[in-house]
Amino acid sequence: DAGVIQSPRHEVTEMGQEVTLRCKPISGHDYLFWYRQTMMRGLELLIYFNNNVPIDDSGMPEDRFSAKMPNASFSTLKIQPSEPRDSAVYFCASSLVSGHSQFFGPGTRLTVL
Amino acid sequence: GDSVTQMEGPVTLSEEAFLTINCTYTATGYPSLFWYVQYPGEGLQLLLKATKADDKGSNKGFEATYRKETTSFHLEKGSVQVSDSAVYFCALSDSNAGKSTFGDGTTLTVKP
Repeated sequence: DAGVIQSPRHEVTEMGQEVTLRCKPISGHDYLFWYRQTMMRGLELLIYFNNNVPIDDSGMPEDRFSAKMPNASFSTLKIQPSEPRDSAVYFCASSLVSGHSQFFGPGTRLTVL
Repeated sequence: GDSVTQMEGPVTLSEEAFLTINCTYTATGYPSLFWYVQYPGEGLQLLLKATKADDKGSNKGFEATYRKETTSFHLEKGSVQVSDSAVYFCALSDSNAGKSTFGDGTTLTVKP
């Protein structure tokens, strides 16, 4: 398996623009997680899905953030409008079942100017 | 709720030194415990895990033992290498919770 795939790997945009991050989990994994990592705040869980259904979105910082999982092999995290404080590395991860280890993608480094 | 407390970093060691990174946890159930490693510019990757009390996880010379009586899962390695320089995260996951709880991470730098 190719592992968790994220795109783009790097994104530079201007404040106010819409940003869409994409993730393809490992085939057969039931859980998908979106994280944000910054020096100041460390690793934060934004939202996670089980069988394509959002289970906990309490970590989504504001209404500007939204996430979808239309099918088992694809998820998006959208920021609209983007702000400079959204600059971070965003990771997608998947796991086979609850309680198992997570497999992380390489991350998307987002810079909002 | 569940929580994980890791030894604060950064930690700087000379090559071939002994490594210990402390990790303690609080959980209501019987979680599985994990150590993840993050190399510069990469995502986290599983280093080792233990699923029940007294289990020892091991990989690449690293070891950690699930100690229920002290609620700990300390990471150890007998002789570190420069290539072990990375950020190490302790985590727990309860089969009923869905998500994992991560510690804040400990940055290890190994100097030649």
